Amino acid sequence: SAVISQKPSRDICQRGTSLTIQCQVDSQVTMMFWYRQQPGQSLTLIATANQGSEATYESGFVIDKFPISRPNLTFSTLTVSNMSPEDSSIYLCSVDLQAVYNEQFFGPGTRLTVL
Amino acid sequence: AQSVTQLDSHVSVSEGTPVLLRCNYSSSYSPSLFWYVQHPNKGLQLLLKYTSAATLVKGINGFEAEFKKSETSFHLTKPSAHMSDAAEYFCVVSEGDDKIIFGKGTRLHILP
Repeated sequence: SAVISQKPSRDICQRGTSLTIQCQVDSQVTMMFWYRQQPGQSLTLIATANQGSEATYESGFVIDKFPISRPNLTFSTLTVSNMSPEDSSIYLCSVDLQAVYNEQFFGPGTRLTVL
Repeated sequence: AQSVTQLDSHVSVSEGTPVLLRCNYSSSYSPSLFWYVQHPNKGLQLLLKYTSAATLVKGINGFEAEFKKSETSFHLTKPSAHMSDAAEYFCVVSEGDDKIIFGKGTRLHILP
């Protein structure tokens, strides 16, 4: 298994500002993922972040809005840029420890409220 | 293309009675199937997974699920509900190297 921490756990931000969310894993992993869970919705994959390569974004998500860094095998950041109230969500990072079966372990999430 | 449908957005059961959370999937190949639980203000936790071994899968906290290929179902069950089971449950499907797809979730309410 893996222990994953996220910072901050929650934040309240003003419209037009940016927030960077950090994800730290206690072991080296190749594949890390960022998800968004909007109020009352299921999880939606934002992007896949593999160390040593550019993040791969899902349809509807762009790098200018959600830039991602992956400087090493235990750490990643997701920035939510130029925020609007529609960005109010829980953002989760996850890691894939078993590439064959895609079992994922999730961080505790960052609850973002944009005023 | 793979997809997953959780048939109930809310399920309410009385404490001590059985729990049934329904999940149907669509997959072109032999899928891997998972159930995750999300307690209020907590991160997601893996309950159990099916990966082409035994069709009846036992998970944590007394939950189990049965893979039924003929019905394309992977329903989650528990013989006796506990108050601490109140949470959101997600059924998830994955095919090989493809992305994992989450169902919309089922919120389980436990009545005293």
